[in-house]
Amino acid sequence: DQQVKQNSPSLSVQEGRISILNCDYTNSMFDYFLWYKKYPAEGPTFLISISSIKDKNEDGRFTVFLNKSAKHLSLHIVPSQPGDSAVYFCAANPASSDYKLSFGAGTTVTVRA
Amino acid sequence: GAVVSQHPSRVICKSGTSVKIECRSLDFQATTMFWYRQFPKQSLMLMATSNEGSKATYEQGVEKDKFLINHASLTLSTLTVTSAHPEDSSFYICSAGKLAGAYEQYFGPGTRLTVT
Repeated sequence: DQQVKQNSPSLSVQEGRISILNCDYTNSMFDYFLWYKKYPAEGPTFLISISSIKDKNEDGRFTVFLNKSAKHLSLHIVPSQPGDSAVYFCAANPASSDYKLSFGAGTTVTVRA
Repeated sequence: GAVVSQHPSRVICKSGTSVKIECRSLDFQATTMFWYRQFPKQSLMLMATSNEGSKATYEQGVEKDKFLINHASLTLSTLTVTSAHPEDSSFYICSAGKLAGAYEQYFGPGTRLTVT
């Protein structure tokens, strides 16, 4: 059963505009959320994370918003750049020390010049 | 930094043979490493959690006798696909969690296994 869901398999955005990626989760035990970026035939690279005690975390062009009551988080990329074209995975970690992550199915972002 | 390497990056083997994939954390110690499998256009599927000095914990549906995991040191975990079959062809990715309670996992570049 998919506990982390990314319902949009793809997103196309013009260079310079904002990219908004959405993620929903079902497990209320999740207390830490991460976004990873992945290029084809490479491992995911960590982008940004947020703890459940916060509702926003910002790092340069990337901002993650968390709405705990709705069990929803989103990643905003602004401005979008061609190098941002990749697959973005949302991941969540429960309140435990085993570091296990549950991943969403990913959203493929294409930034158009 | 937090760099994780995997070797080999790509391997082709014949059906029935075994293949070993290495995962190393290059600049930090990892008590816990993870092995994932990714099918085309799908998410990462966690196969097992590898703990240094103890037996790996396998996810439901993953055959522990087929996918042997050894975590011999704080910087090295290996995954051996035994008696490989074409359906084992996939992209295998490892990750390592940092020692000091950080939640972030750092991923290796992956290994493309093709079984002919």
